[in-house]
Amino acid sequence: QQQVKQSPQSLIVQKGGIPIINCAYENTAFDYFPWYQQFPGKGPALLIAIRPDVSEKKEGRFTISFNKSAKQFSLHIMDSQPGDSATYFCAAIQGNKLVFGAGTILRVKS
Amino acid sequence: GAVVSQHPSWVICKSGTSVKIECRSLDFQATTMFWYRQFPKQSLMLMATSNEGSKATYEQGVEKDKFLINHASLTLSTLTVTSAHPEDSSFYICSARGESGNTIYFGEGSWLTVV
Repeated sequence: QQQVKQSPQSLIVQKGGIPIINCAYENTAFDYFPWYQQFPGKGPALLIAIRPDVSEKKEGRFTISFNKSAKQFSLHIMDSQPGDSATYFCAAIQGNKLVFGAGTILRVKS
Repeated sequence: GAVVSQHPSWVICKSGTSVKIECRSLDFQATTMFWYRQFPKQSLMLMATSNEGSKATYEQGVEKDKFLINHASLTLSTLTVTSAHPEDSSFYICSARGESGNTIYFGEGSWLTVV
């Protein structure tokens, strides 16, 4: 059972574009929502995270939008660069339980 | 940010042998560590959760006698793949959570190839 649904599965944008990756969850007990960036052959790196009492968080070119009532959250990458090409995972945490989305393969074309 | 180190980064072993992978939290005390397995182009699959000084909690379908996890200190957890077979070849990743906060940090992963 997939507790965190992530879309799209893959995404191609031009350099400078704003890719948007969406995630939805069902369990309202989740209390922390991180995003991870993973390059091939490497472990996931924490990118940005948000708590459900915040509607938006921005760190550099990365922004999380959070809609608690809809149980959805999304990652926006401003002014995307070829170096942003990676797999992005959303996740949801409840206690010691971290549930990952299926991942989105992003390719930024130069 | 916090650093989690895994060793070795890659290992090749013969079928039937055992291999140990270490996961260390370098600048914080990790009360909880997690072990994941990842197949190419797939998401991370949680194998087990370990708390310092206690037995690991394994996810359904993960053989605890095959994947031995030890969390002997607040900075070190080990995963031992016993009697490895080619189907155990995979990318194994650990993560660690500190005593405070929700943030979970991941290691760089370890590639295991069983020949």
